[in-house]
Amino acid sequence: GQQLNQSPQSMFIQEGEDVSMNCTSSSIFNTWLWYKQDPGEGPVLLIALYKAGELTSNGRLTAQFGITRKDSFLNISASIPSDVGIYFCAGHTGANSKLTFGKGITLSVRP
Amino acid sequence: DGGITQSPKYLFRKEGQNVTLSCEQNLNHDAMYWYRQDPGQGLRLIYYSQIVNDFQKGDIAEGYSVSREKKESFPLTVTSAQKNPTAFYLCASSHRDYGYTFGSGTRLTVV
Repeated sequence: GQQLNQSPQSMFIQEGEDVSMNCTSSSIFNTWLWYKQDPGEGPVLLIALYKAGELTSNGRLTAQFGITRKDSFLNISASIPSDVGIYFCAGHTGANSKLTFGKGITLSVRP
Repeated sequence: DGGITQSPKYLFRKEGQNVTLSCEQNLNHDAMYWYRQDPGQGLRLIYYSQIVNDFQKGDIAEGYSVSREKKESFPLTVTSAQKNPTAFYLCASSHRDYGYTFGSGTRLTVV
């Protein structure tokens, strides 16, 4: 089945730094989504991407839908302590398909 | 405000007991999902339902059961056949190919 690959499992950065996360697949996806999960809570949608090549921003977050439709990246600029959490990528392969999730990257921000 | 509500937030189960986790949404979404989350393992799909009175097994359905008698409700029963039920359980709903909306989760612990 389809898989989304996120690595590394954990990232540690200093407050104020930028960080970039990748999500890759061997399959083509029609939609890419990025979620953030705070400790003890459910994931919350950060950014949704619907077209190959699309670049979308949401505050300090920027995400892109790869031109091959097999990858996406999320960039967080000027990190702050509340950016800590697990970041999941997810995607749809076709109409009415279930979302496929990556295993997530746990981000830690040192003050 | 529309949303998806999971209850209880924390649940304790004795060995050999069945327990039911509640999930209710008022988003008018057709599809609903149950995921299990263990540290470092991402989100694993237990069951999903795309319409009322119909549901399908996900990747780890053994030891779990669900029902979908109303569009708004998708309860999950963790049965005594589930040998390792301690985990964080997440419910989600969606409309077609849009992203999932998650509840805030239920943490189940076997005592």
